[in-house]
Amino acid sequence: DSGVTQTPKHLITATGQRVTLRCSPRSGDLSVYWYQQSLDQGLQFLIQYYNGEERAKGNILERFSAQQFPDLHSELNLSSLELGDSALYFCASSGRPGGSNNEQFFGPGTRLTVL
Amino acid sequence: AQSVTQPDIHITVSEGASLELRCNYSYGATPYLFWYVQSPGQGLQLLLKYFSGDTLVQGIKGFEAEFKRSQSSFNLRKPSVHWSDAAEYFCAVVSSSASKIIFGSGTRLSIRP
Repeated sequence: DSGVTQTPKHLITATGQRVTLRCSPRSGDLSVYWYQQSLDQGLQFLIQYYNGEERAKGNILERFSAQQFPDLHSELNLSSLELGDSALYFCASSGRPGGSNNEQFFGPGTRLTVL
Repeated sequence: AQSVTQPDIHITVSEGASLELRCNYSYGATPYLFWYVQSPGQGLQLLLKYFSGDTLVQGIKGFEAEFKRSQSSFNLRKPSVHWSDAAEYFCAVVSSSASKIIFGSGTRLSIRP
């Protein structure tokens, strides 16, 4: 158990809809990262937040957005969903003060299916 | 730009046989390297990591990896595989800004009884 939790585990929705994925980092970790794992693109970095502020952006679509709240949990919002958005979405955390910021701890993922 | 290459998409080995999964990286400085394992329908579990120091790194579940700067490689090894080792294995490097992990495309390991 990495200490990172993600909800829900599974999500099935229709094209055009909007969903929110939630992530709680390990206790004390300040950074949250979002990754997408799909069959055709593999594992890709989407976005990073550090202590509530956006720190880095990867291959994140404009239809997707994220935020990190004062309690450090994070949400990834996916809108105008398309079939191709079906994937496993991982959250990771790092950056515990005094710890290594280079090691990220991954949650179990949320499997999104768009029908 | 940093990148990670796993040249083998799928490998099958017999139970009890030795294993080596290949990983090559492209990085301008001393890299931080990782191996993760993902069982079907599961998340990513860290097997081992290399930050600095001894180039032979021991991990969990009997795995080890050797960092070879001259070959830009970080191959994963296990002397004797078990059926439970069947999974997808990802090599990864942390970007220079430490803001993201760059993953290889993965190697799927199957175990022959």
